[in-house]
Amino acid sequence: DIQMTQSPSTLSASVGDRVTIPCRASQSISSWLAWYQQKPGKAPKLLIYKASSLESGVPSRFSGSGSGTEFTLTISSLQPDDFATYYCQHYNSFPWTFGQGTKVEIK
Amino acid sequence: EVQLVESGGGLVQPGGSLRLSCEASGFTFSSYAMSWVRQAPGKGLEWVSYISGDGGRTYYADSVKGRFTISRDNSKNTLYLQMNSLRAEDTAVYYCARVAALGPLEYWGQGTLVTVSS
Repeated sequence: DIQMTQSPSTLSASVGDRVTIPCRASQSISSWLAWYQQKPGKAPKLLIYKASSLESGVPSRFSGSGSGTEFTLTISSLQPDDFATYYCQHYNSFPWTFGQGTKVEIK
Repeated sequence: EVQLVESGGGLVQPGGSLRLSCEASGFTFSSYAMSWVRQAPGKGLEWVSYISGDGGRTYYADSVKGRFTISRDNSKNTLYLQMNSLRAEDTAVYYCARVAALGPLEYWGQGTLVTVSS
């Protein structure tokens, strides 16, 4: 099974900061990677698919990059609404797996 | 508007069974694969199961294989998750999600809580 690793588990940042969240796959997943945002008590929301494609309606300050085993979610200028937990997920093959999540908190 | 509404959660004893439902609306249900994802209290997301649009292909996480069964009734626009031999570690909010054509989980329900405890 492919393992997804996200580190750090918590990231402290300020409004306006550029934030990068890494995600690593235990083996190549090509570009079959998605990023989700989750706020407390809410369902996850799809942000990025196929590693770098922006989901419709998602602000352009979010971007994704990478392929193979190394991926990054970037928030170009952190906004108050962006404080949340972010998960990567591969869908290269079954079983699908999520990373452990990175919580972006206020510095 | 795409809507996914889960139901069927609740308190069940270890070793017991429960069937979750996810009623879909706002799209042609049979045209989309569906998936279940769960989240234990205070923990991260865990993919549970997948079913193709026609129900012919199903996949499971190792943690639930042999105990959970995913199914769908396209005439009722409803997805199901039959959960047997439940364990304390199955306690979680269970989300159903629509699978996009390229694979990611593009729409999610609000979740239903399953608590396994004596």
